[in-house]
Amino acid sequence: SLLAQPPAASGTPGQRVTISCSGTTSNMGHNAVNWYHQLPGTAPKLLVYNNNQRPSGVPDRFSGSKSGTSASLAISGLQSEDEADYYCAVWDVSLNGVIFGGGTKLTVL
Amino acid sequence: QVGLVESGGGVVQPGTSLRLSCAASGFPFSNHGIHWVRQSPGKGLEWVAVIWYNGNDKYEADSVKGRFTISRDNSRNLAFLHMDSLRADDTAIYYCARDITSAMTGTLDLWGQGTLVIVSS
Repeated sequence: SLLAQPPAASGTPGQRVTISCSGTTSNMGHNAVNWYHQLPGTAPKLLVYNNNQRPSGVPDRFSGSKSGTSASLAISGLQSEDEADYYCAVWDVSLNGVIFGGGTKLTVL
Repeated sequence: QVGLVESGGGVVQPGTSLRLSCAASGFPFSNHGIHWVRQSPGKGLEWVAVIWYNGNDKYEADSVKGRFTISRDNSRNLAFLHMDSLRADDTAIYYCARDITSAMTGTLDLWGQGTLVIVSS
């Protein structure tokens, strides 16, 4: 099973966009949400972890939030280099594994 | 240099076996859980398996359970994914990734570049 994400999102440079992610009580209800982004032809990278923490080097234009079984990733001051695929993920306690969202392809118009 | 490097991918026939390796460098390998995640061509990410820092606990996705086995050798800073009874739908780029902790939080803070496995007759 997958976490639910919109397949596509878009915005113009400088805009703020949000990407949603929804799960169930067995996954998102119990554990923190992580976000990854994947630039074309490259490996995924951790973007936000523990719902709203940013790894070193990730700009504060990226922010995450979670409420209940829903989460969202916000990107402010959109830049052309933000064009990528974005995935949410959580640890599912009933499956003992990581559940990924289907991914959202972000296009910068 | 902190990193993970996968190897062992290739083109194999259905029903055969393959072993992928993941070589770690630049960090205390035995302090971290290791995951394998795959990505079929043009598709999203699919978690495959995880092994705890000391190898005592491991879990696999239902789609590979009974066919794939994850293991590690902390003395050589290596993790492995042994894949048996390969099927066409196992065709994917296989990434190894480091868990941020010794256990299984599912927070993957370091990824390798991936190795491509193609299962085709």
